Amino acid sequence: DTEVTQTPKHLVMGMTNKKSLKCEQHMGHRAMYWYKQKAKKPPELMFVYSYEKLSINESVPSRFSPECPNSSLLNLHLHALQPEDSALYLCASSQVFGMSNQPQHFGDGTRLSIL
Amino acid sequence: GQNIDQPTEMTATEGAIVQINCTYQTSGFNGLFWYQQHAGEAPTFLSYNVLDGLEEKGRFSSFLSRSKGYSYLLLKELQMKDSASYLCAKPNTGFQKLVFGTGTRLLVSP
Repeated sequence: DTEVTQTPKHLVMGMTNKKSLKCEQHMGHRAMYWYKQKAKKPPELMFVYSYEKLSINESVPSRFSPECPNSSLLNLHLHALQPEDSALYLCASSQVFGMSNQPQHFGDGTRLSIL
Repeated sequence: GQNIDQPTEMTATEGAIVQINCTYQTSGFNGLFWYQQHAGEAPTFLSYNVLDGLEEKGRFSSFLSRSKGYSYLLLKELQMKDSASYLCAKPNTGFQKLVFGTGTRLLVSP
């Protein structure tokens, strides 16, 4: 069991649908991250939130829209996705952002399939 | 640059010892992490090295040589459950993000 929980575990959606991925942690961490991971590849950073403010957007297409309602929650809103967006989406958290020795704690991810 | 290289795949037998190597560009070094990821699961934190030498944690040890830009993860007394991907990762120069290596898929056979 991980301390970062993500829902749903699996999601299948059409290219015209709107859906949201959710992530929650109760470790008091103030930095939260979204990653995209394709099969047999390492995770690729998408967004970083620090103290509920967006700190990094790795040039992610606008069809992905992150939101951090409070220090424990992180959402990723999806709209008009493409088949190539099918991947495992991982959420992670760390105590603070910008400290090199802080390990990130990952959730189990949402496996997203775009039809 | 942030190139971090690992072997793509390794195989080993149960009970054996395996060493997974990771090489990286030494500029802006701020420490190196190792993660384990079973298929379809979360990456889990294994170790963090910032000083040269060997850090031991039970069956797993991690080594770092900063001057050589080299690290390895040593797994002893291999078990079937150790079959997983092993990712080395380092913070980028500004400490703003974790850059992952290509990952090594380890298969442990009976």
